Amino acid sequence: LAKTTQPISMDSYEGQEVNITCSHNNIATNDYITWYQQFPSQGPRFIIQGYKTKVTNEVASLFIPADRKSSTLSLPRVSLSDTAVYYCLVGESTGGSYIPTFGRGTSLIVHP
Amino acid sequence: SQTIHQWPATLVQPVGSPLSLECTVEGTSNPNLYWYRQAAGRGLQLLFYSVGIGQISSEVPQNLSASRPQDRQFILSSKKLLLSDSGFYLCAWSVPWGSNYGYTFGSGTRLTVV
Repeated sequence: LAKTTQPISMDSYEGQEVNITCSHNNIATNDYITWYQQFPSQGPRFIIQGYKTKVTNEVASLFIPADRKSSTLSLPRVSLSDTAVYYCLVGESTGGSYIPTFGRGTSLIVHP
Repeated sequence: SQTIHQWPATLVQPVGSPLSLECTVEGTSNPNLYWYRQAAGRGLQLLFYSVGIGQISSEVPQNLSASRPQDRQFILSSKKLLLSDSGFYLCAWSVPWGSNYGYTFGSGTRLTVV
């Protein structure tokens, strides 16, 4: 089963770049890596997804090394509104269906 | 476009009372459906998932049950609530093939058992 490991918490300051790394040593060949953001009392929302190398969108970048055993979410120039919990997700295959397993998530606090 | 509806948003129930939380999805067919629970300050715990009508898989033995009476309807139930059932309950859906498609979550139900 593909499980993920992330730092429990991180602190940063406005304007800095934040990198959150997730380990997924048992990732399967067909699995994609997806990151979600969750604000208090809300459901997680999709940030970015990738399979290998680098993916960039208007919100973040995702770096995935060749062995795919880890991934790094990069948030450029964070603001106070980026304070949230960030989850790394790797799909699990069971009976032909993919079941998401969330890690504990990383609580990011951005300070003024 | 696809949307997911979850209700109620908040709920306060006494210990020993029944529970029924409903989740519906619009704009897609044969979705995978999920129920998660999040205790205060904790991560997301997968409770149940369903790949089709009447097909329910339980991840954690507990005081809860789930049912999928229609393709796009997922219900979380309990006959007698416990204090430990308090938490934030989230419904989610995904397409049934591959993890290269994201999961969309509902807005959640905050359940407080008193």
